[in-house]
Amino acid sequence: DAGITQSPRYKITETGRQVTLMCHQTWSHSYMFWYRQDLGHGLRLIYYSAAADITDKGEVPDGYVVSRSKTENFPLTLESATRSQTSVYFCASSGPRRAGGPDTQYFGPGTRLTVL
Amino acid sequence: AQSVTQPDIHITVSEGASLELRCNYSYGATPYLFWYVQSPGQGLQLLLKYFSGDTLVQGIKGFEAEFKRSQSSFNLRKPSVHWSDAAEYFCAVGAPTGGGNKLTFGTGTQLKVEL
Repeated sequence: DAGITQSPRYKITETGRQVTLMCHQTWSHSYMFWYRQDLGHGLRLIYYSAAADITDKGEVPDGYVVSRSKTENFPLTLESATRSQTSVYFCASSGPRRAGGPDTQYFGPGTRLTVL
Repeated sequence: AQSVTQPDIHITVSEGASLELRCNYSYGATPYLFWYVQSPGQGLQLLLKYFSGDTLVQGIKGFEAEFKRSQSSFNLRKPSVHWSDAAEYFCAVGAPTGGGNKLTFGTGTQLKVEL
């Protein structure tokens, strides 16, 4: 089915381990985003990408790494997981900006990550 | 930089009652404004958006929002709430120039519907 998918949906890991969260979209959207959702903070942008091989930091990038070698994939890596990175992670994608305004962001179902 | 405030963390309404969720933004010019809804365990779904033009915007599921420049607000309304509207609602703001398609989200309002 077309859309935006995330894997895994649930992940438990230990402090210090490397974890990669996957995001895949089938719309060929140019923009992709990673957010984390925490109680009391809403959604905060971690990284975003305007196109393949173009990425930029968001509000809370520390401890995370992204890459975008293909338009449809935007993996997020926690190089050395910490307890403070326990969160729900959402990936989103959107088309390019247009004269009428920015394209809608479409969200994946989320990945619940627990760091012990 | 833009910011969004949703003053109400929790709101409880009775089914059939009217609803208004508040959203205030901070931005130097007219921003792009969005309302998203998140059902438990789900991702976010767009309810409606405002870019320009008519300040009263109609969305899905019977929701509407009104942009008020003088009050820097973009409140979400529904005339008659259904039990299925129980969810968390997020207001978001985007910059018309620069910043790509980035959005800044509020902290959300959790809506409970009493039967």
